[in-house]
Amino acid sequence: AQTVTQSQPEMSVQEAETVTLSCTYDTSESDYYLFWYKQPPSRQMILVIRQEAYKQQNATENRFSVNFQKAAKSFSLKISDSQLGDAAMYFCAYRSGLNFGNEKLTFGTGTRLTIIP
Amino acid sequence: DVKVTQSSRYLVKRTGEKVFLECVQDMDHENMFWYRQDPGLGLRLIYFSYDVKMKEKGDIPEGYSVSREKKERFSLILESASTNQTSMYLCASSPGTAAPSEQYFGPGTRLTVT
Repeated sequence: AQTVTQSQPEMSVQEAETVTLSCTYDTSESDYYLFWYKQPPSRQMILVIRQEAYKQQNATENRFSVNFQKAAKSFSLKISDSQLGDAAMYFCAYRSGLNFGNEKLTFGTGTRLTIIP
Repeated sequence: DVKVTQSSRYLVKRTGEKVFLECVQDMDHENMFWYRQDPGLGLRLIYFSYDVKMKEKGDIPEGYSVSREKKERFSLILESASTNQTSMYLCASSPGTAAPSEQYFGPGTRLTVT
């Protein structure tokens, strides 16, 4: 079974600075997908960014980018120019590349990010 | 916009009660999911459904059952609620197309069992 580990329960960053959230995973599969989800306080979870394992290029979405190291099974999220609205719980998630149409996700335990004004 | 709604934001039930948590999505998604979220444990999959009347157990199905009679609605049932089922319950849906797509989450139901 796949496992996802987020070793930083809490992180804080000064507004406008850059922060990196860590995620490692364990799998024997070669085809899979990785996601970062954001859960703001009292609001719904939303997708931040996704990465296909077969793509070598790291995904980016505006101020959010990932550092995907397939050999090391590492998938960190970098948030540049942090804003107050980035304060949230961030979850790393893994999805097998098998069984298209069956999209089970395995989540990490989350990192609570605080933005310091 | 995809909308996933859950019947209650907060629910308080007594031990032994039968509890129904309802989830509705409005985007004709094939897949629907129920997770529970606990501090320090992240989200854990309880059950999921990839078609009407189809269901599969997730990682922690014990003490729960589900029902999906219509495509847009996925219900989580606690047959006899216990205090260790006090938690935040999140419903999600996804299209189920060949290309992996994101899951869309509801606002959650915080259930307290006393």
